[in-house]
Amino acid sequence: QSVLTQPPSVSGAPGQRVTISCTGSSTNIGADYDVHWYQQLPGTAPKLLIYADTNRPSGVSDRFSGSKSGTSASLAITGLQADDEADYYCQSYDGSLSGSGVVFGGGTKLTVL
Amino acid sequence: EVQLVESGGGLVQPGGSLRISCAASGFTFSSYVMHWVRQAPGKGLEYVSGISTNGDITYHANSVKGRFSISRDNSKNTLFLQMGSLRPDDMAVYYCARGSGRHPVVVLDAFDVWGQGTMVTVSP
Repeated sequence: QSVLTQPPSVSGAPGQRVTISCTGSSTNIGADYDVHWYQQLPGTAPKLLIYADTNRPSGVSDRFSGSKSGTSASLAITGLQADDEADYYCQSYDGSLSGSGVVFGGGTKLTVL
Repeated sequence: EVQLVESGGGLVQPGGSLRISCAASGFTFSSYVMHWVRQAPGKGLEYVSGISTNGDITYHANSVKGRFSISRDNSKNTLFLQMGSLRPDDMAVYYCARGSGRHPVVVLDAFDVWGQGTMVTVSP
């Protein structure tokens, strides 16, 4: 069980807006460590979508946006498209863990209805 | 084109060893921190190991500490993961990933380039 909690699944119709939450605690997101988001299309490697809470790498559509407040972060996708159907993962750091401290959320499967 | 290509995966018996590799191209490999991330079949992502640009600092998840070793050969633009005492729960696709370099603290940084992955199967 991950220290970062994501809903197992979300869904939306084409054109709609959906959000994916990533809930942590005072030792990770709440400690203001950066949150990053990845998109993993079926059968492919993950792709960086958002870094440092709110920033998009070049080439990533502005339909994707990130936010953070308190012990949670969110990924929002507007104008939902069929090819947004994928798994989405958040990543951060947890200062209470031994080892590297790098943590991923359990992932959220987005279904476009 | 910036590219990471993993190789060396395969079938290994429990308790066995395996070394996987990641060949980098299209960027100055020696300037980037590199990592391994794995994904068990049907499961989420799990951080495995990371290594500094010159190889003098390494990071490991508790689940692999003492069993796995990460290294790099900057002259050959190649990253390695030596895996030992393999267990069934080590079975996964292993991805090589590049630290973006946007954050000065390695474990806080994002991974901006990923390879296609190599499958490691641990079974009798």
